[in-house]
Amino acid sequence: ETGVTQTPRHLVMGMTNKKSLKCEQHLGHNAMYWYKQSAKKPLELMFVYSLEERVENNSVPSRFSPECPNSSHLFLHLHTLQPEDSALYLCASSQEAHSNTEAFFGQGTRLTVV
Amino acid sequence: AQSVTQLGSHVSVSEGALVLLRCNYSSSVPPYLFWYVQYPNQGLQLLLKYTSAATLVKGINGFEAEFKKSETSFHLTKPSAHMSDAAEYFCAVILPSGAGSYQLTFGKGTKLSVIP
Repeated sequence: ETGVTQTPRHLVMGMTNKKSLKCEQHLGHNAMYWYKQSAKKPLELMFVYSLEERVENNSVPSRFSPECPNSSHLFLHLHTLQPEDSALYLCASSQEAHSNTEAFFGQGTRLTVV
Repeated sequence: AQSVTQLGSHVSVSEGALVLLRCNYSSSVPPYLFWYVQYPNQGLQLLLKYTSAATLVKGINGFEAEFKKSETSFHLTKPSAHMSDAAEYFCAVILPSGAGSYQLTFGKGTKLSVIP
């Protein structure tokens, strides 16, 4: 139990589908993050939320749409994805956004776009 | 600019041998440093962290890392490798980015293989 739970663990979707990734943290943290991890590439920070407000969006295509309804839940809505979007999507949380405390990660969602 | 560099994308050691994974950072101010481990198809798990207290930091699973300011390094070591240590290891640094804010940056990762 890492304190950060992601569902589903695995997802296969077609390029015309719409799906959502869910993340929930049980640590009382105020900041939540989405990262993308592709094979042979460094971890890419996609979005940062602080107290349900988006504070960073690192040039992510609009086919990825985050939602943070409260400080414990974070979603990543997916639509019309491309095969190159196949990756491990990691959710993380920390005490505060852009603070000097460590991030805690979920187990990730392995996404395959066909 | 690269804030954290991990030397060697892939390291192989024999079971029972010393594990040494290298990490160097670039910073003009004292950083906060972390090592994370990632097992296949899992998320990142914190191994240990340096936050300006003791320079030798002990983590889980018998790992430790030493902060050396003169070498701007934070190498991860374990005296005796176990098969279960096979995983990918990420060094990360938190540095001030201005106006009381900090930024977390990860290295590219080092995949550790343990040979029986």
